[in-house]
Amino acid sequence: KAGVTQTPRYLIKTRGQQVTLSCSPISGHRSVSWYQQTPGQGLQFLFEYFSETQRNKGNFPGRFSGRQFSNSRSEMNVSTLELGDSALYLCASSLVPSGSRTDTQYFGPGTRLTVL
Amino acid sequence: GESVGLHLPTLSVQEGDNSIINCAYSNSASDYFIWYKQESGKGPQFIIDIRSNMDKRQGQRVTVLLNKTVKHLSLQIAATQPGDSAVYFCAESRSGNTPLVFGKGTRLSVIA
Repeated sequence: KAGVTQTPRYLIKTRGQQVTLSCSPISGHRSVSWYQQTPGQGLQFLFEYFSETQRNKGNFPGRFSGRQFSNSRSEMNVSTLELGDSALYLCASSLVPSGSRTDTQYFGPGTRLTVL
Repeated sequence: GESVGLHLPTLSVQEGDNSIINCAYSNSASDYFIWYKQESGKGPQFIIDIRSNMDKRQGQRVTVLLNKTVKHLSLQIAATQPGDSAVYFCAESRSGNTPLVFGKGTRLSVIA
């Protein structure tokens, strides 16, 4: 079974631009969570989607948004990029929502975003 | 590969020795805990989990210990191998609709 895939793997943008990242979960998984990973803050939760509905949202500004499609693929968008948005963005999928404790989250390799 | 954390605490161990990685969690209401391993260029990989009704759980070469009194979690790796070199994160969660909260991570370096 293929793992979680994220595209693109690397991205360079300039301040003020917007970016869209994509995540394809493991086949059959309906829950997708997004995380931002930086050296200073570690792994921080962005949001979680399950069956096309946002279930949880972390403490990030409204410039960060996401959505999930009927095939469970998910995208996240960051508008008006700032230098501080440079990070590794990780996507994780699971069969059921992350709070249910009955399933493991599987992470993708991440998208490395650099904002210049 | 990816630079996961430039300012992480580092634990260096000799190959074949046992490793103990510690984690202090913050929320006394947390009742579910997970350890993840992240190798360079990869996303975190599940290692082992434990619920708050247990104080010890064993896997293959790994043991997780939970001390709820002092809000402390540890991961023990037996007979550490070079392939164990990675950054290790603990994560906590509360019952219900709450996402995982990750610790800052510890870098394990295995000396051959």
